[in-house]
Amino acid sequence: GQNIDQPTEMTATEGAIVQINCTYQTSGFNGLFWYQQHAGEAPTFLSYNVLDGLEEKGRFSSFLSRSKGYSYLLLKELQMKDSASYLCAVRDHSGGSYIPTFGRGTSLIVHP
Amino acid sequence: GAGVSQSPSNKVTEKGKDVELRCDPISGHTALYWYRQSLGQGLEFLIYFQGNSAPDKSGLPSDRFSAERTGGSVSTLTIQRTQQEDSAVYLCASSTTPAGTGAYEQYFGPGTRLTVT
Repeated sequence: GQNIDQPTEMTATEGAIVQINCTYQTSGFNGLFWYQQHAGEAPTFLSYNVLDGLEEKGRFSSFLSRSKGYSYLLLKELQMKDSASYLCAVRDHSGGSYIPTFGRGTSLIVHP
Repeated sequence: GAGVSQSPSNKVTEKGKDVELRCDPISGHTALYWYRQSLGQGLEFLIYFQGNSAPDKSGLPSDRFSAERTGGSVSTLTIQRTQQEDSAVYLCASSTTPAGTGAYEQYFGPGTRLTVT
């Protein structure tokens, strides 16, 4: 199975930049996802990395280093609506199934 | 197009009763996943269906939990003899067929909030 670790909570100021880290251990890495989940709502897909490097999508970027078992989600020009939980998920293929395993999530609080 | 739908949105049941939770995936999505999320916790994998293959039941916490997927579409998660620790939000997700290294991101339904009293 996987061991996925991310900070429980982070706070940041509107307009600033925040980096949310995720470390993982897996035997059959097949991709890493970031999802956003607002309180009381379902998770929605933000980004996917399977090769090393940075993927940029508007204000959000995601980075992956497979050799280090490390990823981060970078949020720029923070807005109040970015206050949410950010879930790191790793997909493993070692058991023959493609099942993403989720971390506990990082609760991001953006204040004025 | 329509997203993933789940019913009921809320379910309150007495300890010991059986409950059925329903998931309608996005049309054409062959992969279907059930997770549950307790307050302040991450998503806990329960079961995975992929096409006509045998489901991956490795995440089911006990034999009180079962799930089926009829006609490769709608899925029902059944919890027998519910216990208070079963209280959680049960989330269903679907995706296109995961293969290789493509994203095949999951689309989640709104969830069913189960409360066992």
